[in-house]
Amino acid sequence: EIVLTQSPATLSVSPGERVTLSCRASQTVGDSLAWYQQKSGQPPRLLMSTASTRATGIPARFSGSGSGTEFTLTISSLQSEDFAVYFCQQYHHLPSFGGGTKVEVK
Amino acid sequence: QVRLVQSGAEVKKPGASVKVSCQASGYRFTINYIHWIRQVPGQGLEWMGWINPNNGDTQYAQKFQGRVTLTRDTSLTTAFMELSGLTSDDTAVYFCARDSPEYDFWGQGTLVTVSS
Repeated sequence: EIVLTQSPATLSVSPGERVTLSCRASQTVGDSLAWYQQKSGQPPRLLMSTASTRATGIPARFSGSGSGTEFTLTISSLQSEDFAVYFCQQYHHLPSFGGGTKVEVK
Repeated sequence: QVRLVQSGAEVKKPGASVKVSCQASGYRFTINYIHWIRQVPGQGLEWMGWINPNNGDTQYAQKFQGRVTLTRDTSLTTAFMELSGLTSDDTAVYFCARDSPEYDFWGQGTLVTVSS
């Protein structure tokens, strides 16, 4: 099983700040990594696939990078609607998810 | 447009089974695998398994082997997840999701509560 470790667990930020979230895999997943945003009471929403490809309708302030075992999701200027929990997920082997990073208001 | 619509919330007693449905529309049902993922309230996401709607092939997470059964009815464009031997640890929201291979569309989630 591929274990994904996300850091930090919680990030306290102000609107307008640049945010960087990390996801580390226990073994290589190539670029078979996705990022999701989840708000309370909703299913996750796909943000990024193949590590760096924005999903349909996702604003350009979201960007993804990395390959192999180290991945990053960056929000260039945090908007109020971006406060949420973010999960990474690998689909290189049997799927698994990271534990999530909660982005909260500072 | 693509939609996955799940069945409603369930309350079950320990030891019982639950069956959740996921009706797909807006695309050709047999093309994309359907995965099931669960989320204990306030916690992370846990992959349970997938089904190939084209031929019924399945793959289950080791944790759920022997307790979960994924099926589908192509005439109804619906996938089903049945979980048996329920305990309080199975209280969670259960999601279906379309494999592309990332999860581009999700069901709204079904809350299953296990309580005596």
